[in-house]
Order: sequence, then structure tokens, then C-alpha cells
Amino acid sequence: SQQGEEDPQALSIQEGENATMNCSYKTSINNLQWYRQNSGRGLVHLILIRSNEREKHSGRLRVTLDTSKKSSSLLITASRAADTASYFCATATPRAQKLVFGQGTRLTINP
Amino acid sequence: EAGVTQSPTHLIKTRGQQATLRCSPISGHTSVYWYQQALGLGLQFLLWYDEGEERNRGNFPPRFSGRQFPNYSSELNVNALELEDSALYLCASSFTTANIVNTEAFFGQGTRLTVV
Repeated sequence: SQQGEEDPQALSIQEGENATMNCSYKTSINNLQWYRQNSGRGLVHLILIRSNEREKHSGRLRVTLDTSKKSSSLLITASRAADTASYFCATATPRAQKLVFGQGTRLTINP
Repeated sequence: EAGVTQSPTHLIKTRGQQATLRCSPISGHTSVYWYQQALGLGLQFLLWYDEGEERNRGNFPPRFSGRQFPNYSSELNVNALELEDSALYLCASSFTTANIVNTEAFFGQGTRLTVV
């Protein structure tokens, strides 16, 4: 079963608006990572947040982690057309020795 | 610095044939991961190689196999291809650490395998 589940599955917003995507997971984690995938090609790492961290920023990205609720959110501020992509969360668990990906959120930024 | 490279970019095979996919990790990375992404779906973990050894394997049949060479490049072999094997196969590499998934993974652009 998938460890991470993204919500919503698809999101369409206007350029300049903020986009928020959520990820829920089931078991204890070492860290949670967010990746972007453009047009079904390779994934690009966006940000890694460790289990003892609550919030991280990288440019227009803000990631939060709530281990009590087993959830994370990715906020993209001031969205641009180039942000159109699929976004995946991936969890790393102590025993699994692998990254487990969710199904992704397909984000569309309308000009 | 060169990123993770995968070859070929596209591969078309007939059902029952064998496919071989290749991956070269970033220089200095010793861990290689393989993932399968069927159309419109998330990534399914296939295999993890580190220092030439298979360290972990996903829930895939034995006809999915691979190896890692002394230069840390890797090969994924899929035998007796089935139509449902059609997917994007992604390779990723990372530094190995005592707790391997503490660092980000760098992905290649993938090999799109089509089985007809």
C-alpha cells in the first residue's frame, strides 16, 4: 500500500495565486520529501523535511510537517505557468530503506 | 556535473521479449534505485542497489531483475515482457549513508518502455 497520499489529485489555479498540496502518510518516518515531475519525465527534488522539523522554506516553497497528524503540506506562493507539473511526496521510513511515493497532485497554472 | 543518465530514452518491445534498461548515477553516488511509473500513476519501487549489492526489492515478480556494476552504473532487465509492463522506468541515485534515505535522490529522465 502507498505510504503517502496526496490531496487533491488535481488542482487548477490562476497565475499569481498560491497553491497548496497535502500529503498524508501512515507510519513513522525519517523524513518526507517533495518532488516535481514535468510532463512524465524525471523527478526533480524540491525539499526534504526531517521528522524533527516542522517547517522549511525554499524560495517560493514552504513545507510543513505535522508528525502527530502524519501529514505534510507544500505551499507554492505566487504561482507561475512554469509551476505546472505533478507534485509527489515521498516518505522514508526507518525500516523500509526506500522512498515510497504517493500518487501525486497534478497542478495546472492558468495564465 | 553530469546528472543521472538513462538509456535508451524510448524502447519498444514485443510481448515475451526481454528489455534491458541502463542507468549511470551521478559521479560519487553509490546507490541506485529503480522505479516503475505506469501511465498516470505514482512511482512503484522496484530495486535498490548499493555498492554492487541488491539491498531491497519491491513487490515485483522475479522476471524483473538487475545488477550494479563496479563503476556503480546499473542495469534493469525485464524478461518475458507483458503488456502491463509498459511504463516509464526511472532510475535515481544518491550518496550512501548509514541510513540510506536521509538524503535526496536525483532522478534521470527515464526510459519509456512500450510493450506491443
